Amino acid sequence: SQTIHQWPATLVQPVGSPLSLECTVEGTSNPNLYWYRQAAGRGLQLLFYSVGIGQISSEVPQNLSASRPQDRQFILSSKKLLLSDSGFYLCAWGRPLQETQYFGPGTRLLVL
Amino acid sequence: AQSVAQPEDQVNVAEGNPLTVKCTYSVSGNPYLFWYVQYPNRGLQFLLKYITGDNLVKGSYGFEAEFNKSQTSFHLKKPSALVSDSALYFCAVRDRGGSYNTDKLIFGTGTRLQVFP
Repeated sequence: SQTIHQWPATLVQPVGSPLSLECTVEGTSNPNLYWYRQAAGRGLQLLFYSVGIGQISSEVPQNLSASRPQDRQFILSSKKLLLSDSGFYLCAWGRPLQETQYFGPGTRLLVL
Repeated sequence: AQSVAQPEDQVNVAEGNPLTVKCTYSVSGNPYLFWYVQYPNRGLQFLLKYITGDNLVKGSYGFEAEFNKSQTSFHLKKPSALVSDSALYFCAVRDRGGSYNTDKLIFGTGTRLQVFP
């Protein structure tokens, strides 16, 4: 069966510090991978998605970037965090050209 | 552009009563629709989806959803609510496109379901 991991589970960072959140998927190959942000416990905003190693599509211009160094690894980064980067970050995976996405447990980021 | 709307921020139901969480959609072409549930401080869990076929779709934890093309709705239902069903529920629609022709999901704003004992 497939499993998706995210770490860390929670993170408190000062403004201006760098960020690296990691997501890995087990039990499947060549998944589509997604990063979402959920602010204020409600709506989800798609940040990035990837269909393969090194292939990243950005949905919204922002202070964040994403990378996919390995087939089942997806990393969300920032060089300098802003207060507005606080939120709940969710990684998801899906099989290519199939509709359903499966979500990880999430990382709660608080920027102070 | 594809979109879904969840008109209710919160739905309150007594345990044992039937529940309905509403969702309407706007798509070009055939809609691919989904329901997800989120418990506090957790990721989203897939409940069910409609792609084609029967308008009544059965999913996890006793939930079902009814696809209604004429009303462009995809309401989530359960015959008898449990206190443990209290959570945040999201409706979503597939948005296929982009430079990689990959599937993206467009989510509604979520509906908080509160089931009272």
